[in-house]
Amino acid sequence: DTGVSQNPRHKITKRGQNVTFRCDPISEHNRLYWYRQTLGQGPEFLTYFQNEAQLEKSRLLSDRFSAERPKGSFSTLEIQRTEQGDSAMYLCASSLLQEYTEAFFGQGTRLTVV
Amino acid sequence: EDQVTQSPEALRLQEGESSSLNCSYTVSGLRGLFWYRQDPGKGPEFLFTLYSAGEEKEKERLKATLTKKESFLHITAPKPEDSATYLCAAPMNTGFQKLVFGTGTRLLVSP
Repeated sequence: DTGVSQNPRHKITKRGQNVTFRCDPISEHNRLYWYRQTLGQGPEFLTYFQNEAQLEKSRLLSDRFSAERPKGSFSTLEIQRTEQGDSAMYLCASSLLQEYTEAFFGQGTRLTVV
Repeated sequence: EDQVTQSPEALRLQEGESSSLNCSYTVSGLRGLFWYRQDPGKGPEFLFTLYSAGEEKEKERLKATLTKKESFLHITAPKPEDSATYLCAAPMNTGFQKLVFGTGTRLLVSP
C-alpha cells in the first residue's frame, strides 16, 4: 500500500469559486480525518468519518464546507464560494478502528484563493 | 482546555550537535502522545506513539520519551537531512484521533 493519497496537490482558484479535493485512505483503515493547516501552525481538526458515517465536525467547518465518504472508501471535501481565508493546506489522514492508534497523513492539498 | 505547547519554536544545530525538543501538554487523561515530522510543503510523517509515563521509543538518531506532563524528542548527532518541523500531538477524549497539535519546532541542521 502506498499510503494516504490526496489530489490535487495544489489548487489555485478565484474567490467565489467552488473547489473539491479527494482523499484515498490506506485501504484497511476504517477511520478518515480531514485537517487544515495554515503557515506556522499545527494542523487543526475539521471532520471525522468512521466508514461512511460522518461522526464529528469542527466549528471550523462552516456551512460552505461539506465532506463525504461514499461507501466508506475515498472521501471528498468541497468548499463552496471560496474566500481568501480558506487558503491553507488541507490534510487527510486515516487510521485503524482501534482507539487512539496512530493516524497517517497524506501529502496534503495546498489551496490558494486569489 | 486541551493544549499542546512546543519549544523552542526554532532550533539551529551544527551537524553532530545533539539536542532535545520539548512538548508539554495539558490534556485530561492522556491517551497517547504522537510525534510527527513534517517537511516543507508535505504532510506530517508519523514517527512515534507514546502511551505511558516512562515509555521510550527510538528510531535512528531520534528518541522520544514521555513523562506525566511532557515529552521530549532527543536528537543525537543530527545530520542535515534531519532538518524539518517536528510536531507533537495528543488526542482529545473522543475515542478517535481528534488530535490537538502543537505549533511545531523548526529544526535546521547545518553541515
